[in-house]
Amino acid sequence: EVQLVESGGGLVQPGGSLRLSCAASGFTFSNYWMSWVRQAPGKGLEWVANIKPDGSEKYYVDSVKGRFTISRDNAKNSLHLQMNSLRAEDTAVYYCARSYGGNSGYWYFDLWGRGTLVTVSA
Amino acid sequence: DIQMTQSPSSLSASVGDRVTITCRASQSIGRYLNWYQQKPGQAPKLLIYAASSLQTDVPSRFSGAGSGTDFILTISSLQPGDFVFYYCQQSYTIPRTFGQGTRVEIK
Repeated sequence: EVQLVESGGGLVQPGGSLRLSCAASGFTFSNYWMSWVRQAPGKGLEWVANIKPDGSEKYYVDSVKGRFTISRDNAKNSLHLQMNSLRAEDTAVYYCARSYGGNSGYWYFDLWGRGTLVTVSA
Repeated sequence: DIQMTQSPSSLSASVGDRVTITCRASQSIGRYLNWYQQKPGQAPKLLIYAASSLQTDVPSRFSGAGSGTDFILTISSLQPGDFVFYYCQQSYTIPRTFGQGTRVEIK
């Protein structure tokens, strides 16, 4: 089955760290750009970061630059998000998402995990 | 960053109604516009990509149109499972940005 399964969420104090993981299965993980997208409680969607198939390029939204690091292990079909210096405003469900562009170059998120909740609170 | 603005933020309609949701980009994005549906407690699901291409297995009552800065999502005949949230998203540049969402409610 083609799927993404996130793990690693939980409760953390402000200033703390957390490492999220996303396990991919059912497709050739090493062929795809991958992203993290988050959704604060009752709010909309916010793209956080993405990474090239070979891991050589990484991009971040400004609000997490210098605090979050996206990485991947193609041998283990896994995506990670290391989150440091966490703030209350980082509280959200974090989704792992596959990006697809095909031959057209029109990129979109065509596969999503169910998400993992990160709560930053004292 | 490109700002995406959806309107309305919410709408009320009945089963069988035709509804449209608008998405406006703060600068031209060509046809680099996607639409997602999100049900409560679930991950978003891709409906439309490249402004008007229907994703596989998405019912044909969903359609998209537009280019440049103005886009629309149309649901031709609302079904009970369609009363949820909808988001537009641009893939023209990094950072990827989403609209704030539109809630479709039962009248």
